[in-house]
Amino acid sequence: NAGVTQTPKFQVLKTGQSMTLQCAQDMNHNSMYWYRQDPGMGLRLIYYSASEGTTDKGEVPNGYNVSRLNKREFSLRLESAAPSQTSVYFCASSERRDQPQHFGDGTRLSIL
Amino acid sequence: AQSVTQPDIHITVSEGASLELRCNYSYGATPYLFWYVQSPGQGLQLLLKYFSGDTLVQGIKGFEAEFKRSQSSFNLRKPSVHWSDAAEYFCAVALNSGYSTLTFGKGTMLLVSP
Repeated sequence: NAGVTQTPKFQVLKTGQSMTLQCAQDMNHNSMYWYRQDPGMGLRLIYYSASEGTTDKGEVPNGYNVSRLNKREFSLRLESAAPSQTSVYFCASSERRDQPQHFGDGTRLSIL
Repeated sequence: AQSVTQPDIHITVSEGASLELRCNYSYGATPYLFWYVQSPGQGLQLLLKYFSGDTLVQGIKGFEAEFKRSQSSFNLRKPSVHWSDAAEYFCAVALNSGYSTLTFGKGTMLLVSP
């Protein structure tokens, strides 16, 4: 009964370091998403994958890359971390783009 | 582009009192509408959704929401708030075309006083 699993839960990076956030879902959902959540900004969509083999930019894609490894897994990569990327990152999945999304518990990322 | 407005950043309600959280959307057609709740340190959990049909939607944890097309609103209500309801609440909309993603409001933080 895992749903959406994100790893790691916490991470501290130095400016310029790279990192990949992992996300996996076991609900056989077609669509997956990466959001960042910052105080007063709500949830902002970074990238999404409507179906296996496709990815698209969301509202705030700069500084990030994604990979839809297979139907279950969707990773988010920071190639050269910047302090402005300090945030809480959420992965979500849904049957299709306009359907309810199921969220992971988040990754709290601090960049010094 | 569609947008979602939650006009109240914070709301404080006494335990046992009724609650209404406001949500307005901007889009010409009737979208799909959702309310999510986020407890501290957790991800978002779906409370309820509206796709079509009866404009009063029942959700989990005793919440309900009413879709009012004339006001482009989808307000969340609960008749009697419990201390455990203290959390952040997000309204979200999606175009009912299968080709759009959800757009979230910025959230309303609910504080429950004794």
